[in-house]
Amino acid sequence: DGGITQSPKYLFRKEGQNVTLSCEQNLNHDAMYWYRQDPGQGLRLIYYSQIVNDFQKGDIAEGYSVSREKKESFPLTVTSAQKNPTAFYLCASSPPPGTTGFNEQFFGPGTRLTVL
Amino acid sequence: GENVEQHPSTLSVQEGDSAVIKCTYSDSASNYFPWYKQELGKRPQLIIDIRSNVGEKKDQRIAVTLNKTAKHFSLHITETQPEDSAVYFCAASIIGDSSYKLIFGSGTRLLVRP
Repeated sequence: DGGITQSPKYLFRKEGQNVTLSCEQNLNHDAMYWYRQDPGQGLRLIYYSQIVNDFQKGDIAEGYSVSREKKESFPLTVTSAQKNPTAFYLCASSPPPGTTGFNEQFFGPGTRLTVL
Repeated sequence: GENVEQHPSTLSVQEGDSAVIKCTYSDSASNYFPWYKQELGKRPQLIIDIRSNVGEKKDQRIAVTLNKTAKHFSLHITETQPEDSAVYFCAASIIGDSSYKLIFGSGTRLLVRP
């Protein structure tokens, strides 16, 4: 899991601004995921991507957008349409099917977003 | 869609005692059940997992049991230590499903009192 990084660690945003959270992995994983974590709640899936140039909405995709132009990168944009964006955001990746541990998700260190 | 419920939300035990966290899932097609541990301010990490063709799996002080009929699975930690204090998440997914999605429970905050 040391091969998946997120930046920045802390991010402050004014209301009405879009912000982009970075997620990079050098694990050669096909699948990547974005989760949102709120206090006292589990990990809720925002978007996921199984392959370059393809991604699907998760359970709480409204107000978010993603891109997957490179295998290593899966940036998340939090748009002004997201009503309550203050949260801890976790990115994860998992190995290709058929490889050892392909169902395991490896998490990045997270980005804590605060809307001022 | 799949839903995973986790109980209790908080658990406090004395060092050396056992801790049990329980989860239930809704999709009978689920066949993979991992447990993640998240220490304060850190990323979740896989600690143990079980597949539906197995009823129990053990790794030192940690064990997971699965009851497919009742659709629930549990994490057991024996001889708890202060370093076991963390938030634990259960999850469920379907191996072979094209989405590879994990559905997480809401988490259990475990406090081990010295």
